[in-house]
Formats: sequence, structure tokens, C-alpha cells
Amino acid sequence: DAGVIQSPRHEVTEMGQEVTLRCKPISGHDYLFWYRQTMMRGLELLIYFNNNVPIDDSGMPEDRFSAKMPNASFSTLKIQPSEPRDSAVYFCASRRHPQGGATNIQYFGAGTRLSVL
Amino acid sequence: QKEVEQDPGPLSVPEGAIVSLNCTYSNSAFQYFMWYRQYSRKGPELLMYTYSSGNKEDGRFTAQVDKSSKYISLFIRDSQPSDSATYLCAIKRWGAQKLVFGQGTRLTINP
Repeated sequence: DAGVIQSPRHEVTEMGQEVTLRCKPISGHDYLFWYRQTMMRGLELLIYFNNNVPIDDSGMPEDRFSAKMPNASFSTLKIQPSEPRDSAVYFCASRRHPQGGATNIQYFGAGTRLSVL
Repeated sequence: QKEVEQDPGPLSVPEGAIVSLNCTYSNSAFQYFMWYRQYSRKGPELLMYTYSSGNKEDGRFTAQVDKSSKYISLFIRDSQPSDSATYLCAIKRWGAQKLVFGQGTRLTINP
């Protein structure tokens, strides 16, 4: 398996522009997580999906952020309009539903480094 | 108060040294404890996982949990330059999906 695939790897945009980040989870995984990582705040959970349904979006910073998962193999995180304080590395992670004593391993993508000028 | 506290370092040690990385957490409801390793410009990858007090070994790595003190540790024996990375502790409540991550400690092993 190719692992969690994120695109683009780098995104540079100007304040006010719309930004769309993409994620393809590992096949067969039914949980998908979006995180944001900054030096100041570390790695923070933004939202997660189970079977394509958003379960907890309490980490989404404000209405400018939205996430969708139209099918089991694709998710997007959109920022509109973008602001300089949104500059961060955004990670997507996926996980199989634990069975029995299975561990809670989340597999992370390589991240999208976003710079908003 | 943050749910989990981790010294961000940086920590620099010579090759072959024993490394100790630590986190404290605030709520006894957290029952699952993980250590992730993150190389520069990469995503975090799971290194160790435990849900009980005591020690768990995997090669040169030992994860230690003290639930009474709400303290978790990761020890690296015979450290290698390839161990240079940021190490993040993560904790989880029973039945929850959300992982709460520490700030991460940046570790450098000098040849």
C-alpha cells in the first residue's frame, strides 16, 4: 500500500485566496483525521470522519475552514479565505477500526506545507 | 492547563548515549499512551504503544508509564544518528478516537 497520500506537498498563496488540501487514505481504513502542526501549538486535531461522516469538528478554528469526505478514498480540507495565521503543516491520517485488542494506530501522510503571504 | 505537557527541547546528545524523553498528563481518564517519531519534513509514525503501567520494550526503545504520577517516558539505548528526529507523546481516552499530542521534543544524536 502506498500509505496516506496528500497533495499538494507545498502550497504558497496570497491572503484572501481559497486553498484546497487533498488526502487519499489507506484503502480499507474507515477513520480519517485532519491535523494542523505549528511551532507554537504543536499537532492539533481539526476534524475526523468515520465512514465518510464528520464525527467531531470541534478543532476547526473557524468558519473559514471546511472539510469534506465524498467517498472512502478522498477527503478535502478547504480554507476560504486564507489568512497568514493559517500558515502551518496540515496532516491527514487514517486508521482502521480497531478489532478486539487491535491498537489505535493512525498512519500519517507526509503533510502539506501551507504558506499564506 | 494543557492536557499533556512535553519539553520541546532541543535535546542534543552524543552517539551511544541513553536518551530519556518525558511527558506528563493531567487527567487519569487517559488510558492509552503512544510515542510517535517524526523526521524532518515527514509525517509522524508510531514508535511505541501501551495502555498499562510499567515498561514495554522494543529493541533499543523502552516506553514507561506511571499512571499514579501521570508520567510517561521513552528511553532510547545506544542512540544512533538515525534516531535524530522529533518525538511526540500522544494520549487517548478509552473509547475515544481523538489523540492528544505533546508539543514534541526535537532530538539530535551527534556522531
